[in-house]
Amino acid sequence: EVQLVESGGGLVQPGRSLKLSCAASGFTFSNYGMAWVRQTPTKGLEWVASISTGGGNTYYRDSVKGRFTISRDNAKNTQYLQMDSLRSEDTATYYCARHFNWEGFDYWGQGVMVTVSS
Amino acid sequence: DTVLTQSPALAVSPGERVSISCRASEGVNSYMHWYQQKPGQQPKLLIYKASNLASGVPARFSGSGSGTDFTLTIDPVEADDTATYFCQQSWNDPRTFGGGTKLELK
Repeated sequence: EVQLVESGGGLVQPGRSLKLSCAASGFTFSNYGMAWVRQTPTKGLEWVASISTGGGNTYYRDSVKGRFTISRDNAKNTQYLQMDSLRSEDTATYYCARHFNWEGFDYWGQGVMVTVSS
Repeated sequence: DTVLTQSPALAVSPGERVSISCRASEGVNSYMHWYQQKPGQQPKLLIYKASNLASGVPARFSGSGSGTDFTLTIDPVEADDTATYFCQQSWNDPRTFGGGTKLELK
């Protein structure tokens, strides 16, 4: 059974950093592109970042470029999202998701809440 | 960014057929995908590339469309289908999602 389990969320002050982790199991992690998608009641679902199977190619939405870094450790079956210079508008539930043929997202984690507030 | 527009809500009776629309602000070829999200849960992939049923999804769900206009159809609707349905395109960067259509059962 495919499982994606996020961790690392919480309350953080504006300008500070947070690192999310996503532990994968039930599939060959190194064979799949991975992504982070966030959701808020006002903005809905937003793709945040994606990473290729080997980690050599990364992609970001404009609003997080230069502040967020997606990475992965295939030996640990884990992907990460390092979030720096956090802003209030980054407040959201962050989902780890598996790319399906680099198109849609066929498996999602349960999500982790990130709140950026002073 | 490609804006995907969905109707906010629909209400149907069990056993009926329902069509949920998604209109893109620019062409996305056939690279449109559909998700179901129930309250407190993560999204679940239903349809990929406009008309392909994802693994394990009942055949009551189907998708159609290309270019800018897409439809998710549920026939017949069951009580368990109460959820919010999202479309998502992967043709243009960045990947974007629709605002969601909340399906309620009468």
